[in-house]
Amino acid sequence: DAMVIQNPRYQVTQFGKPVTLSCSQTLNHNVMYWYQQKSSQAPKLLFHYYDKDFNNEADTPDNFQSRRPNTSFCFLDIRSPGLGDAAMYLCATSTQARYEQYFGPGTRLTVT
Amino acid sequence: AQKITQTQPGMFVQEKEAVTLDCTYDTSDQSYGLFWYKQPSSGEMIFLIYQGSYDEQNATEGRYSLNFQKARKSANLVISASQLGDSAMYFCAMREEGVTGGGNKLTFGTGTQLKVEL
Repeated sequence: DAMVIQNPRYQVTQFGKPVTLSCSQTLNHNVMYWYQQKSSQAPKLLFHYYDKDFNNEADTPDNFQSRRPNTSFCFLDIRSPGLGDAAMYLCATSTQARYEQYFGPGTRLTVT
Repeated sequence: AQKITQTQPGMFVQEKEAVTLDCTYDTSDQSYGLFWYKQPSSGEMIFLIYQGSYDEQNATEGRYSLNFQKARKSANLVISASQLGDSAMYFCAMREEGVTGGGNKLTFGTGTQLKVEL
C-alpha cells in the first residue's frame, strides 16, 4: 500500500545533541510538510517542500532545518534540541491537484 | 489571518448513536477548504472529509458528513452510528489560499476528544 513512513517512531536525544528525523513516501506526491505537535495542542506547520523548493514558516526557529534529497525522502534536522522541542513531529504529503494531506504515524521526540 | 475554533474539548457518545463535533472558522478569503482529521492515540492523522467553499452540497464519506453552513461560518462533523473505534481526537482544519511556494497550508483547531461508550 502507498503510504507515508516515519522513522524512528520514538526518538530520545540529549539536550543540545543534534537529531535527524526521517520521512519517506511511496505516494509520489510533490509536496511534503513537517508539522510539530506539542502535547494536547494542534499541529503547527514548520515548513514544506514543493518539489525541491523549500518554504519556511516565518515563526519556525532557526534550530530547525530540513532536507529533501529526492521526491521520496524528507528529513527534519534539529541542530541543538532544547527541552521545549519535545513533541510529536508529523510528516505529511500532498499533490497540487488535491487538497488533502496524508500524514505519517509521527515521531515522538523526547529531550533529556 | 485564518482561525479555526473548536469549542468542545471533550465529547461522549454511546455506541451506535450519532454525534456532532462543532467547528467554526474565520477567514477573509473567498475560496477556502475545510477538513476534518482523526487522530487516534497512536498519533497518526487520518483524513476524513473535505468541503470546498464553493461546493453546493455537503460532503459525505461513509459514516462521516460535514454540515457546512457558509453564512454562519461553521463546518460541523457528523458521525453516524458511532463505533468504539471512533474514540480519538478530531481536528477541524482550514486550507489557506495562495501559499507562498505552492502547497496547501493547513490551520488546525485545538481538537475535540471523542469517547465512544458501550
